[in-house]
Amino acid sequence: QVQLVQSGAEVKKPGASVKVSCKASGYTFTNYYIHWVRQAPGQGLEWMGWINTNTGNTNFLQMLQGRVTMTRDTSITTVSLELNSLRFDDTAVYYCARGWLPWSGMDVWGQGTTVTVSS
Amino acid sequence: QSALTQPASVSGSPGQSITISCTGTSSDIGAYNYVSWYQQHPGKAPKLFISEVSNRPSGVSSRFSGSKSGNTASLTISGLQAEDEADYFCSSYTGHSPAFGGGTKLTV
Repeated sequence: QVQLVQSGAEVKKPGASVKVSCKASGYTFTNYYIHWVRQAPGQGLEWMGWINTNTGNTNFLQMLQGRVTMTRDTSITTVSLELNSLRFDDTAVYYCARGWLPWSGMDVWGQGTTVTVSS
Repeated sequence: QSALTQPASVSGSPGQSITISCTGTSSDIGAYNYVSWYQQHPGKAPKLFISEVSNRPSGVSSRFSGSKSGNTASLTISGLQAEDEADYFCSSYTGHSPAFGGGTKLTV
């Protein structure tokens, strides 16, 4: 079946980096964009960016520019999100989600990865 | 502060109908028919319930419907059931990226 499976929870110190992976299966990987969306505790959803899994092109939320990297490896149908210079307010559940186009609905979601930034 | 404005909470009794609004601007909801709605139960990932303003993905109940007028999109749930109690988020394309509403907690 179509699914996105994410890597496990992470605990990091402020200033460190974190890398979260998202393994896709059950569909043609390069036919869909992958979005990253995060949700701070008790808060709403925040779109972080997308990656075109065919070309590798990316588009990020402006406030994250310079701290975020998204990559894909088509050989293992996996997308990765790396966030640098972590701050306490980066503590959140990070989701990857599939979209046919950048503007279409996100129809399949990963299970979420909790990233905790704590000293 | 979210780009799209939703009421923090709505409530209804089983069998009733409710509507959740999502207000944007002429640069997002008003400009594009790319409004989506997501349902999220506590501790779970969001689930797509409506795309492109009013399209229901396969498997989503016909009790859920979406619409748009001007800069405001709406999600209507008819025949409320206990299982509908959840958070609902709207999303719209803004011309360069998606944006989400702050979410609405539905209590049944």
